[in-house]
Amino acid sequence: EVQLVESGGGLVKPGGSLRLSCAASGFTFSTDSMKWVRQAPGEGLEWVASISGSSRHIYHADSVKGRFTISRDNAKNSLYLQMNSLRAEDTAVYYCARVMAHGNSYGYGDYWGQGTLVTVSS
Amino acid sequence: EIVLTQSPGTLSLSPGERATLSCRASQTIRNSYLAWYQQKPGQTPRLLIYGASTRATGIPDRFSGSGSGTDFTLTIGRLEPEDFAVYYCHQYDYSPLFGQGTKLEIK
Repeated sequence: EVQLVESGGGLVKPGGSLRLSCAASGFTFSTDSMKWVRQAPGEGLEWVASISGSSRHIYHADSVKGRFTISRDNAKNSLYLQMNSLRAEDTAVYYCARVMAHGNSYGYGDYWGQGTLVTVSS
Repeated sequence: EIVLTQSPGTLSLSPGERATLSCRASQTIRNSYLAWYQQKPGQTPRLLIYGASTRATGIPDRFSGSGSGTDFTLTIGRLEPEDFAVYYCHQYDYSPLFGQGTKLEIK
């Protein structure tokens, strides 16, 4: 059974940093791309970043480029999101998701974690 | 930059009725790289459809997707009480993007 468990969320002041983790199990983590998607309170879904299985291909949304960094440790079956220079508008539930490859596309998320809440406030 | 527009914003129907949700892209989505998700309050998004028309594993056949190019549709054949939720379309051809969602509520 595929399981994705996020952790690391919490309350942080504007300008601060936070590192999210996602522990994966139930599939061959090293061969699958992964991504982070966030959802601000009462709002829709926003893609944040994606990373290929080998970490060769990494993409970030323009809204977080230069501030957030996605990474992974295949030996630990873990995905990470390092978030720096946090802003109030980064307040959201952050989901990790496994990405299913589909042709020559970015792929779509099939399994999602339960999410971890990040609140940026003074 | 591609934009996805879902309509209507809110759809009020009764159980047993048919629901038709629309997702329009501002530019052509190649190879039907479009998915649909269902999200209930306090829950994780659930994949319904990928490739515009392929149902994900375990999804009932009352859910169907269609369309290509810039116009896509999610149809729910006969609404069950558990189908009332928010539905998002998601294009993964270009830099990934979700539509703003359609809320399907009980009339």
